[in-house]
Amino acid sequence: KNEVEQSPQNLTAQEGEFITINCSYSVGISALHWLQQHPGGGIVSLFMLSSGKKKHGRLIATINIQEKHSSLHITASHPRDSAVYICAVIGAQKLVFGQGTRLTINP
Amino acid sequence: GAVVSQHPSWVICKSGTSVKIECRSLDFQATTMFWYRQFPKQSLMLMATSNEGSKATYEQGVEKDKFLINHASLTLSTLTVTSAHPEDSSFYICSASMGGQGANSPLHFGNGTRLTVT
Repeated sequence: KNEVEQSPQNLTAQEGEFITINCSYSVGISALHWLQQHPGGGIVSLFMLSSGKKKHGRLIATINIQEKHSSLHITASHPRDSAVYICAVIGAQKLVFGQGTRLTINP
Repeated sequence: GAVVSQHPSWVICKSGTSVKIECRSLDFQATTMFWYRQFPKQSLMLMATSNEGSKATYEQGVEKDKFLINHASLTLSTLTVTSAHPEDSSFYICSASMGGQGANSPLHFGNGTRLTVT
């Protein structure tokens, strides 16, 4: 079993839908990152969080340390949100990545 | 915001040759740089962590003599793939942090280098 599990692996939705991507981890962590990777390969760091909730525009990230679970939400989704979303945790002094969630938003 | 420049963005080389990939932090000093490898439709795999002025720490299964990492300054790290083979063809990406390894610092990624070995 991977130390970081994301679900779903693939998600297709219509423009405007509310999107949720989940990340569960089994190790103790000091922080969790949500990353966005576009088709060309470039990666953007969306959030780094260690507790509670963060919001940036239409993106919201939450983390529950006790349950070892984080979610990334996208409100009013748009085709330009289509990308791979990756959860990464910092545990035992190193980064561990989830396998990614491929999101496709259709117009 | 913090910018990381990675060069080249793509490279094709022949088997047996060496390829150098550069990762530069343009507007901040990167205490730590990370090198990752990504196969198609798979997630990132950390290859090594480098701190300025010291030897890189390689992940299990990554050959240090094949993937040479140099972090000579706070703004530049290089990854050299030596004696490249077709199985080294992959997407290589770096990230830079102002904190040390494992520190809770934001990560800033380069745009990656697609290596094809023929």
